Amino acid sequence: KNQVEQSPQSLIILEGKNCTLQCNYTVSPFSNLRWYKQDTGRGPVSLTIMTFSENTKSNGRYTATLDADTKQSSLHITASQLSDSASYICVVKRLKGYSTLTFGKGTMLLVSP
Amino acid sequence: EAQVTQNPRYLITVTGKKLTVTCSQNMNHEYMSWYRQDPGLGLRQIYYSMNVEVTDKGDVPEGYKVSRKEKRNFPLILESPSPNQTSLYFCASSLFAGSRSNQPQHFGDGTRLSIL
Repeated sequence: KNQVEQSPQSLIILEGKNCTLQCNYTVSPFSNLRWYKQDTGRGPVSLTIMTFSENTKSNGRYTATLDADTKQSSLHITASQLSDSASYICVVKRLKGYSTLTFGKGTMLLVSP
Repeated sequence: EAQVTQNPRYLITVTGKKLTVTCSQNMNHEYMSWYRQDPGLGLRQIYYSMNVEVTDKGDVPEGYKVSRKEKRNFPLILESPSPNQTSLYFCASSLFAGSRSNQPQHFGDGTRLSIL
């Protein structure tokens, strides 16, 4: 069964600290992996998209890694800011058909002053 | 400004009263999709459309209808809403529909439906 599991479910960190969110997937065949940020009351916004051949991709203070062999990805946030408080959603796209996105349930991050 | 616009943003209605949630994108995207988001379940796809007049069911299509008569619009129709359709709904679009597409999805800001 195609699944995307994210951990932790929620996380509280102090402003300025770093954190890493995890995503494990069983989706096959693999096309790409996406990380989205969803602020409360808003729609998800794309942070990164990584294909099979990409190990690392950065977007400002956000760095995503992908290990396609172990089917794991991580999202590292550096020098966290209060505005980083949001839900982070991992999404894996399957290389088959059109209805191909499998969503994780998200990690809720709270950055505390 | 490139965006996906949903209306209404909030709606409280009663069981059985037909309603339509509109979705419009101004990016000339081929692919559009509807999702519902429920606590503990994450985003689940309701219907999607690869292009004009081409639609298909997602993971949770029961009780919903869609149409794609124009490229920019993709309305979600609840013919006879029931309380279990109370949820947060998102419309999304992306440039291409193919499985190899690396284009991100652009999401609207959501419609919160409460069905009493």
